[in-house]
Amino acid sequence: GAVVSQHPSWVICKSGTSVKIECRSLDFQATTMFWYRQFPKQSLMLMATSNEGSKATYEQGVEKDKFLINHASLTLSTLTVTSAHPEDSSFYICSASPRLHEQYFGPGTRLTVT
Amino acid sequence: AQSVAQPEDQVNVAEGNPLTVKCTYSVSGNPYLFWYVQYPNRGLQFLLKYITGDNLVKGSYGFEAEFNKSQTSFHLKKPSALVSDSALYFCAVRVAVNNNAGNMLTFGGGTRLMVKP
Repeated sequence: GAVVSQHPSWVICKSGTSVKIECRSLDFQATTMFWYRQFPKQSLMLMATSNEGSKATYEQGVEKDKFLINHASLTLSTLTVTSAHPEDSSFYICSASPRLHEQYFGPGTRLTVT
Repeated sequence: AQSVAQPEDQVNVAEGNPLTVKCTYSVSGNPYLFWYVQYPNRGLQFLLKYITGDNLVKGSYGFEAEFNKSQTSFHLKKPSALVSDSALYFCAVRVAVNNNAGNMLTFGGGTRLMVKP
């Protein structure tokens, strides 16, 4: 149980285009999902906290107009990287939290912007 | 603000030997502490957590960790390392709050464990 999926697992896009990444909790409901970014050989940096039915809370330094988050249901959150640039290339990981003290991570999405 | 430090970028150990991956934390309030493992190009897998109770916590794959409040540490240990344990390990902390936004984790920088045959 407690499986979180991400789609796509990897994506290559051209500079200036937008890319949507989906995060789904497959066998549980999550009122809260988190989006992280991980650079090579570095730790996870929290980008935003996504609550179902309300606006996401972004961490300082994260552009909300560039990284659009939608948490439309208790099992799905999406992250859209708008007008992507090469510096947006990274490994994006989501996690879903069904209850306090529990957080389950997706397998990650590798984004490469050319 | 809460923070987590993993002082070693890499730990090397021979297969069959005990391993320790260090973690210290800084929080204002009671900490909830977690260890995760990450294999190449994969998400994080949960190993164990300390919420309350016994300071020695046992987790997945034979790993354990000891919560030491006086030293603000939560070192990860395993009595006998396997080559397959080689991966990136992250320590994380969150402070006790009563809503889901408080589930936000702060991660350490990660420690690469290399177990050699």
